[in-house]
Amino acid sequence: DAKTTQPTSMDCAEGRAANLPCNHSTISGNEYVYWYRQIHSQGPQYIIHGLKNNETNEMASLIITEDRKSSTLILPHATLRDTAVYYCIVRVGFRYGGSQGNLIFGKGTKLSVKP
Amino acid sequence: NAGVTQTPKFRVLKTGQSMTLLCAQDMNHEYMYWYRQDPGMGLRLIHYSVGEGTTAKGEVPDGYNVSRLKKQNFLLGLESAAPSQTSVYFCASSPSPGHRGQEKLFFGSGTQLSVL
Repeated sequence: DAKTTQPTSMDCAEGRAANLPCNHSTISGNEYVYWYRQIHSQGPQYIIHGLKNNETNEMASLIITEDRKSSTLILPHATLRDTAVYYCIVRVGFRYGGSQGNLIFGKGTKLSVKP
Repeated sequence: NAGVTQTPKFRVLKTGQSMTLLCAQDMNHEYMYWYRQDPGMGLRLIHYSVGEGTTAKGEVPDGYNVSRLKKQNFLLGLESAAPSQTSVYFCASSPSPGHRGQEKLFFGSGTQLSVL
């Protein structure tokens, strides 16, 4: 699976949009981009995933560049409860024969939302 | 729905002792996983299972054994605990390919294990 690179930490003002970048320059055509987050001492929580089109759900938006070498997770109106470590993961999707066994979490980005 | 439930939440062991961590899910998921998380590190996959009666090794399987005798339960065993196994352990489950939500992992709240 392709490796990802994320900033170690970021700050965001409450109420503003939080834009979390992720580089995955070696991503393959059959690899999806996933985002999870982990609030302190809790289990990780799924946020969103995508292949090449931009995606939006009730939690966030995922913007993937046309060449798919990077992506951005957007939390449109960050709140204090969004303070967490955010993980960007790339993995071969099931439709392409991927296995869940190789969903690898790196160190992520620690997002601090400040009042 | 309780989702993914891990027991116990905390445990302290002495070196050489054995124990079993229990993970139970009530979502009828085929896939289940055990991860460990050390301070300042991401999650590392220990073992996983793609169905009842099957298990497979992950990234860091040494020193652990697992069993999936029932679809809803996934057990993680430490036969002879070592201080290096002090960590937070997370269990997760997911639907199998072809099922709604197949790409999502659902995590438990974790077990804090200390080996002295």
